[in-house]
Amino acid sequence: ILNVEQSPQSLHVQEGDSTNFTCSFPSSNFYALHWYRWETAKSPEALFVMTLNGDEKKKGRISATLNTKEGYSYLYIKGSQPEDSATYLCASSSGTYKYIFGTGTRLKVLA
Amino acid sequence: DAMVIQNPRYQVTQFGKPVTLSCSQTLNHNVMYWYQQKSSQAPKLLFHYYDKDFNNEADTPDNFQSRRPNTSFCFLDIRSPGLGDAAMYLCATSSGLASNEQYFGPGTRLTVT
Repeated sequence: ILNVEQSPQSLHVQEGDSTNFTCSFPSSNFYALHWYRWETAKSPEALFVMTLNGDEKKKGRISATLNTKEGYSYLYIKGSQPEDSATYLCASSSGTYKYIFGTGTRLKVLA
Repeated sequence: DAMVIQNPRYQVTQFGKPVTLSCSQTLNHNVMYWYQQKSSQAPKLLFHYYDKDFNNEADTPDNFQSRRPNTSFCFLDIRSPGLGDAAMYLCATSSGLASNEQYFGPGTRLTVT
């Protein structure tokens, strides 16, 4: 993988459903993986920064895992709420202060 | 409380008419970035400053220039906007460590008529 890829591109879930999406990144020269949440008309907001293989981070109902050997990260949302509706972006860094972003996963939670 | 501010939020310009987008930060971060994001695409890094050092991405068109007169402010100048330059322009800052998150402004939506 040469680029950062996210899947699915978009999804709709019902309120209360749990969901997850994937970020794939180049595993060579990996240094850090970032997740951001971007709500409409607002600034992208950092959720997690992960650096170590096997890292798991959690913030409320949202959690993320990291596999640096195979080059992927999962973001999980438990019991989705309408306020979770946003675009979720991941970005990979190879150790410099430059980041390569994925195209994002657009989540819509239906009440 | 806003830490990264972008003005204006929406900008309409005419084909070929120079336009400047501005970004300011209150975080005193070393690095400031400009990204271009077109619909359904990944944010694309145009350039960044590490302090006063300017770093242009190889595929950033010459039409795009940037200025950073001091730590707090950074400007994106588009000398002759084309229809293909219509996009969301995001400014971000970071402390310069890859393990630290970026802080983003809300973006400027540029329309070219």
